[in-house]
Amino acid sequence: KNQVEQSPQSLIILEGKNCTLQCNYTVSPFSNLRWYKQDTGRGPVSLTIMTFSENTKSNGRYTATLDADTKQSSLHITASQLSDSASYICVVSFILTGGGNKLTFGTGTQLKVEL
Amino acid sequence: DGGITQSPKYLFRKEGQNVTLSCEQNLNHDAMYWYRQDPGQGLRLIYYSQIVNDFQKGDIAEGYSVSREKKESFPLTVTSAQKNPTAFYLCDSSLQGIASGNTIYFGEGSWLTVV
Repeated sequence: KNQVEQSPQSLIILEGKNCTLQCNYTVSPFSNLRWYKQDTGRGPVSLTIMTFSENTKSNGRYTATLDADTKQSSLHITASQLSDSASYICVVSFILTGGGNKLTFGTGTQLKVEL
Repeated sequence: DGGITQSPKYLFRKEGQNVTLSCEQNLNHDAMYWYRQDPGQGLRLIYYSQIVNDFQKGDIAEGYSVSREKKESFPLTVTSAQKNPTAFYLCDSSLQGIASGNTIYFGEGSWLTVV
């Protein structure tokens, strides 16, 4: 069964600190992996997209890594800000037997940044 | 500005009533998707459409219906057959599906509550 598991479920950090969110997946065959930021009651916003051949991708203070061999990804947030408080969702795309792709969503890590 | 728009933001449904959520995009995207998001769960696919006048069931299609008469529009009807419709609904679109790391754009979501 294709699954995406994220950890931790929730996290509280102080402003200015760094943090790393984890994503493990069992999706196969893998197509790409995406990280999204979702504010409460809003639509998710794309942070990074990585294909099989990419190991790391950055978007400002966000850096995502991908190890396709171990099927693990991480999202590192540097110098956190209060506005980083949100849910971070890992999304893995897999290839359907008949062609096309399908997304499998993790349940997200709820991050809270405090003063 | 180009984007994807969902409406209404908040909707209340009485028991036994059908309601329709709107999703419109002016990004010239071929593929559009509807998801349901419940607390503590990842997004679950309801229906998707990769081309006009064609759509496919997702993982939780029962109690829902869609149409794709125009490229720009992909409305979702929550029918009275959906026994637990209270949720946050998200629509997204992408160019030619989600293969090859095509960026996915999400709408801002619609909250549906049964009263």
